[in-house]
Formats: sequence, C-alpha cells, structure tokens
Amino acid sequence: GAVVSQHPSWVICKSGTSVKIECRSLDFQATTMFWYRQFPKQSLMLMATSNEGSKATYEQGVEKDKFLINHASLTLSTLTVTSAHPEDSSFYICSAKTSGGNEQFFGPGTRLTVL
Amino acid sequence: AQSVTQLGSHVSVSEGALVLLRCNYSSSVPPYLFWYVQYPNQGLQLLLKYTSAATLVKGINGFEAEFKKSETSFHLTKPSAHMSDAAEYFCAVSTNQGAQKLVFGQGTRLTINP
Repeated sequence: GAVVSQHPSWVICKSGTSVKIECRSLDFQATTMFWYRQFPKQSLMLMATSNEGSKATYEQGVEKDKFLINHASLTLSTLTVTSAHPEDSSFYICSAKTSGGNEQFFGPGTRLTVL
Repeated sequence: AQSVTQLGSHVSVSEGALVLLRCNYSSSVPPYLFWYVQYPNQGLQLLLKYTSAATLVKGINGFEAEFKKSETSFHLTKPSAHMSDAAEYFCAVSTNQGAQKLVFGQGTRLTINP
C-alpha cells in the first residue's frame, strides 16, 4: 500500500517550453501533496505544499507563476514548469500524505533536463 | 522552526562493519523524526520513523535509530553493513502541527568497501 507514482520519469525539453509532471497516489487519498526539487548531490528542498481543492502554498524563493501546482483531486497533483530554462534542470520529487497521517509517501521522481 | 544536521557528508565502512550515521535536530516543539534512503535516480524510501512512542525504533533492512531528547539526536545504526546498503541517507524532521512539512538534512553518502 501507499504507492505514489510520477509521470514522466524523465523529460528533456527545449528552453522556453513548458513541462507538466504528474504525481498520483495509487491506493490512498492524498489530502496533502508536497513538491520537492533536488539538485545533483544535494538534499531535497521543499518547493510547495498543496491541499486538495486549495491553492498551493509556496516556500520562500519559489516563483509561483513559474511552478504552477494543481491539486484537483485526492489522487492527483500536477507541477507545471513554465517557460523552462536550463537552470530549472533538476530532479523533481513529489510526496503525499493522508489527513491525520504523519508520514509522507514519496514518488520515484522526475528528471527534467532543459536544453 | 525545525532544522537537521547530518554530521559527515560521506561515510565509508567495510562490509560486515557497524554503520553509524549521525543526525542532530532542532525543534521548538516535540519532533517527528525520519530516516530515508535514496538510491541513484530514485525517490525516497522510509527506513524508520519516531513519532513519540518508543525511543528505540527498528526499521527495515536491519536499521535502527534511537531518539535521545537530551542530545537532540537520532543516529542511525546497523550492526553489520551489506554491500546493498550503499546509498544516500537523509534524516528529516517534522512536527504534528500544520502541514507537517519535512525538513531534510544534507544527506550522507554511505559507501561499503568489500
């Protein structure tokens, strides 16, 4: 149980294009989802927290207009990187938790490379 | 606010030797503490967690950790290292308040020597 999937697992795009990453909880209802970014050989940095049906809460320094997050259902959240640039290249990881739960379940990550 | 410090960005041990990965935390309220393992190009897998129950926590793959409030520590140990333990390990802290956001340490890369 408690499986989280991400799609795609890797993506290469041209500079200036937008990329959408999906995060799905497969066997539970995720009232809260989190999006992290991880640069090579570094730790995970929280980008934003999203609750189903509400606007995402972004961490300081994260541009909400560049990283659009939608959490339209209890099993799906999406992260759209708009007008991607090479500096946005990173490993993006989502996690999900249930209401009242104290553990986050992590997806396998999405490797984004912007050329 | 919470924070985590992992002492040692890289730890190397021989196969069969004791593994000790250090984690110290800071939290103004009772913490929840977690250890995760990450293999290359993969997400995070939970090894174990402390959520205010028993202070000695046993996890998967033979790992365990002890919550020591007086030392604000949550060190991860395994009596005998296996080659498959080579990975990146992250300690993280959250609380039972709000969105229960996780704050991660810098990570420790564990290398196992044959």
